[in-house]
Amino acid sequence: GQQLNQSPQSMFIQEGEDVSMNCTSSSIFNTWLWYKQDPGEGPVLLIALYKAGELTSNGRLTAQFGITRKDSFLNISASIPSDVGIYFCAGQLRGEYGNKLVFGAGTILRVKS
Amino acid sequence: AGVTQTPRYLIKTRGQHVTLRCSPISGHTSVYWYQQALGQGPQFIFQYYEEEERQRGNFPDRFSGHQFPNYSSELNVNALLLGDSALYLCASSPPWDRVGTPLHFGNGTRLTVT
Repeated sequence: GQQLNQSPQSMFIQEGEDVSMNCTSSSIFNTWLWYKQDPGEGPVLLIALYKAGELTSNGRLTAQFGITRKDSFLNISASIPSDVGIYFCAGQLRGEYGNKLVFGAGTILRVKS
Repeated sequence: AGVTQTPRYLIKTRGQHVTLRCSPISGHTSVYWYQQALGQGPQFIFQYYEEEERQRGNFPDRFSGHQFPNYSSELNVNALLLGDSALYLCASSPPWDRVGTPLHFGNGTRLTVT
């Protein structure tokens, strides 16, 4: 079945730093999505990418859909404390009756003390 | 309003049965259920559309569901195992469109099996 490899597993950030994480797959996806999940809550959609090569921004977040449709990266610029959380990439497949998401294992963002 | 899930927390004993409920975003007709074990990404359980199961992930028959005429949905798990302890997430999507609208999730039901 499809699997997404997300890296790094975790990272520490200092306020103001830029952050980068990525996701690779052995399968092709129609759409790549990036979600953030805070403790006790469901994943919240950050960015959706629909076309190979597409580069999309949402405030301080920038994400790209790889040309091969098998990878994506997410950058966070000038990180702030509320960026802490778990970030998931997800590949979306369109079926006859609806979409199905395959998730990576997540990247945990923590604050350096 | 977003996707609504009830209850937020549930504690059950091994062997018992559990029912989780989901109300989709208004206008959405498909409902998706995901299981998220601690420290992992969500795993697809199944999708309901027009009151029928349309897609299913790699989950045993102990996991079943239902969709009602108002598009709300239930997830049922029989003969609970300790390994069923997880956050169960529900998502919904509008009638199928060619763009592939991204899924928006509810806050989940945290199930603990003891």
